Amino acid sequence: SQELEQSPQSLIVQEGKNLTINCTSSKTLYGLYWYKQKYGEGLIFLMMLQKGGEEKSHEKITAKLDEKKQQSSLHITASQPSHAGIYLCGADVGDQGGSEKLVFGKGTKLTVNP
Amino acid sequence: NAGVTQTPKFRVLKTGQSMTLLCAQDMNHEYMYWYRQDPGMGLRLIHYSVGEGTTAKGEVPDGYNVSRLKKQNFLLGLESAAPSQTSVYFCASSYTYRDPVEQFFGPGTRLTVL
Repeated sequence: SQELEQSPQSLIVQEGKNLTINCTSSKTLYGLYWYKQKYGEGLIFLMMLQKGGEEKSHEKITAKLDEKKQQSSLHITASQPSHAGIYLCGADVGDQGGSEKLVFGKGTKLTVNP
Repeated sequence: NAGVTQTPKFRVLKTGQSMTLLCAQDMNHEYMYWYRQDPGMGLRLIHYSVGEGTTAKGEVPDGYNVSRLKKQNFLLGLESAAPSQTSVYFCASSYTYRDPVEQFFGPGTRLTVL
């Protein structure tokens, strides 16, 4: 079965610093999703990546999928307290993508100190 | 457009009691999912549905039952609650599975079983 490993498990940064969160898969990724969760709330969709080498950005958050499609990174530039939360990566479990099910990593807890 | 809503938001049960969690979506999505989130375990799929009248088991289905009598609703039942079912439960929906597509999440239900 497909597993997703996220690193680090938790991260504490000073406001204004850059940071990177990684998501590594045991199998080829056909659809990789990044979600953000604030404590006590649901998941908010950030970005989805499909193609090897693909990169997407939203405000100060950039996500990339490597050429081999087995690792994705989420980079935050000039972090702000509003970036704090739990970041989860999820992936389609189907062999060719398009499965109805997703598996998720265990999450990375980000704290941004003012 | 409310998106995905969950009822109730919080609940405390005694061991052996039963309850039903309700998920509703107003986006005409075909696919609906129930997850549980536990510290250090990430999100795990309990059951899912690929359409009205259909249900399927996910990763951790034991102790739960589901029903999808109407397209917009997905119910999660606990027949005899156990302390191990203390968790945060999330419902999600998506409109297709044929291509990688985001899942929309509800705000969660925090359940404590004493």
